[in-house]
Amino acid sequence: AQTVTQSQPEMSVQEAETVTLSCTYDTSESDYYLFWYKQPPSRQMILVIRQEAYKQQNATENRFSVNFQKAAKSFSLKISDSQLGDAAMYFCAYRKTGTASKLTFGTGTRLQVTL
Amino acid sequence: AAGVIQSPRHLIKEKRETATLKCYPIPRHDTVYWYQQGPGQDPQFLISFYEKMQSDKGSIPDRFSAQQFSDYHSELNMSSLELGDSALYFCASSPRANNEQFFGPGTRLTVL
Repeated sequence: AQTVTQSQPEMSVQEAETVTLSCTYDTSESDYYLFWYKQPPSRQMILVIRQEAYKQQNATENRFSVNFQKAAKSFSLKISDSQLGDAAMYFCAYRKTGTASKLTFGTGTRLQVTL
Repeated sequence: AAGVIQSPRHLIKEKRETATLKCYPIPRHDTVYWYQQGPGQDPQFLISFYEKMQSDKGSIPDRFSAQQFSDYHSELNMSSLELGDSALYFCASSPRANNEQFFGPGTRLTVL
């Protein structure tokens, strides 16, 4: 079974600084998808960024980028120029290819942004 | 843009009662997923449907059942409610060809 591990329960970053959230996963599949979801206090699940395993290029979405290391099964999220609105719980998630495949989430990292 | 609609947004029930949660996917999305998020926990997959057929099943109790209807909306039926069923229940939808799941706002169920 696939597992997703987030070893940082909480992280803190100063406004305008950069922070990296860690995620590792375990799978025997060769093709799959990885995601970072943001869950603010409203509890809405918001997709931040996604990565297809067959792509070597790291995904980037504005201030958010990932470092995808397939051999190491590592998928970290870097947030640049942190803003107060980035404060939230961040979940790393895995999904294998195929129709209606479920998301498997890590336990989350709570990010605090300070002035 | 249209989003996933869940109703009700909040629900309070007594132990041993029954609850029905509804999910209306984004138009032209034919796949629906249900997740349960307990307090301080990550979302856990319950069940999914593709083209009105059950596709995958997770750690869903036998007291729960779900289905997807001809208009693609889905309902999660929960019977003999227990205190431990108190959680945020998410529905997500996706188009078959896409790997991204779009989440609804969730239904917060409280069992007293």
